[in-house]
Amino acid sequence: SQQGEEDPQALSIQEGENATMNCSYKTSINNLQWYRQNSGRGLVHLILIRSNEREKHSGRLRVTLDTSKKSSSLLITASRAADTASYFCATEETSGSRLTFGEGTQLTVNP
Amino acid sequence: DAGVIQSPRHEVTEMGQEVTLRCKPISGHDYLFWYRQTMMRGLELLIYFNNNVPIDDSGMPEDRFSAKMPNASFSTLKIQPSEPRDSAVYFCASSMTGSYNEQFFGPGTRLTVL
Repeated sequence: SQQGEEDPQALSIQEGENATMNCSYKTSINNLQWYRQNSGRGLVHLILIRSNEREKHSGRLRVTLDTSKKSSSLLITASRAADTASYFCATEETSGSRLTFGEGTQLTVNP
Repeated sequence: DAGVIQSPRHEVTEMGQEVTLRCKPISGHDYLFWYRQTMMRGLELLIYFNNNVPIDDSGMPEDRFSAKMPNASFSTLKIQPSEPRDSAVYFCASSMTGSYNEQFFGPGTRLTVL
């Protein structure tokens, strides 16, 4: 089964609004990462947060991690039409080097 | 750097034929991963290599699938014989020790088995 589960599965917002996506996981992790996938393309790494970190920022992205609840959220502020894509969380478990990806959130930003 | 390179980008074949997908990782990366993405099952890890050695192939669906990494700059994923249920997008990704496993993905190969 998938380690990470994103919520919601799909999100549609207007340009300029903020978008929040959530991810839950089941086991102990070394880190949690968020990736973006544009239609027909490969995944692109956005941001990584380590298990001993609680919040991280990168440009318009803000990631939080709550290891007690085994959950993370990705906030995209002041969204743009170009942010339209699928967003995946991925966890690196403490047991190894592999990443386990969630099922993704499809974000649509309407101009 | 050109990034992770995959070929072909699209492959259409008939059931029973052999299919070979190719990947060139980013120079200096010592981990290489093969994934399969479908609507039904999402993104699945098939196998990964470290320093050209297969570490975990538990995601390889059946004996029809095999992967090799003869050197640090080349890997293949072979399906023989192919079946319609193998239709998917296959991604190769690479990463570097010490990078917290930040993975760089190739553009993928869209495989259609008729």
